[in-house]
Amino acid sequence: QKEVEQNSGPLSVPEGAIASLNCTYSDRVSQSFFWYRQYSGKSPELIMSIYSNGDKEDGRFTAQLNKASQYVSLLIRDSQPSDSATYLCAVNYGGSQGNLIFGKGTKLSVKP
Amino acid sequence: KAGVTQTPRYLIKTRGQQVTLSCSPISGHRSVSWYQQTPGQGLQFLFEYFSETQRNKGNFPGRFSGRQFSNSRSEMNVSTLELGDSALYLCASSFGLQYEQYFGPGTRLTVT
Repeated sequence: QKEVEQNSGPLSVPEGAIASLNCTYSDRVSQSFFWYRQYSGKSPELIMSIYSNGDKEDGRFTAQLNKASQYVSLLIRDSQPSDSATYLCAVNYGGSQGNLIFGKGTKLSVKP
Repeated sequence: KAGVTQTPRYLIKTRGQQVTLSCSPISGHRSVSWYQQTPGQGLQFLFEYFSETQRNKGNFPGRFSGRQFSNSRSEMNVSTLELGDSALYLCASSFGLQYEQYFGPGTRLTVT
């Protein structure tokens, strides 16, 4: 059973702080990893993708991947109240299958 | 570039009825995946189509079916609706099986 685990939160950080979101996955053959942001009542929005070990930065977002530890994280620098949402970690296990396995999501609240 | 579109956005049906949901992917995208999202189970994979072929299917009963047309548009059908089918149904499109997936706004189905 392929699983993706996230802390459900809520994770509360003050405005301007760094928010750190974590995700672990169960299968070592995983190929690609994604972070989605979902506002209440809306559909998931892709914010980061990462395919190889290390860090990938895009604006205020940094995704970190450690395949040996089966761990992927998302850092949000200078957090803003508009970042308050549920963050979903998704894993693509590759092969002939393109579907994503999602974690249950971490709810982030950024307090002004 | 236009995003993924889904119709209808909202639907209310009665137990025992059937429903058809439609998804138009981003232009040039050939892969379409369907997901069900509920508060209790989170995002769960239904099925995936690439070039009109179902490549993968999630763990859902046979009442759930889908298809993809030559223009990459996709439909999913749920027959003999049950109360538990009430959910947000999301379609995601991607260029190929291992590429980033972009979600449509979803169809909110309520079964009474």
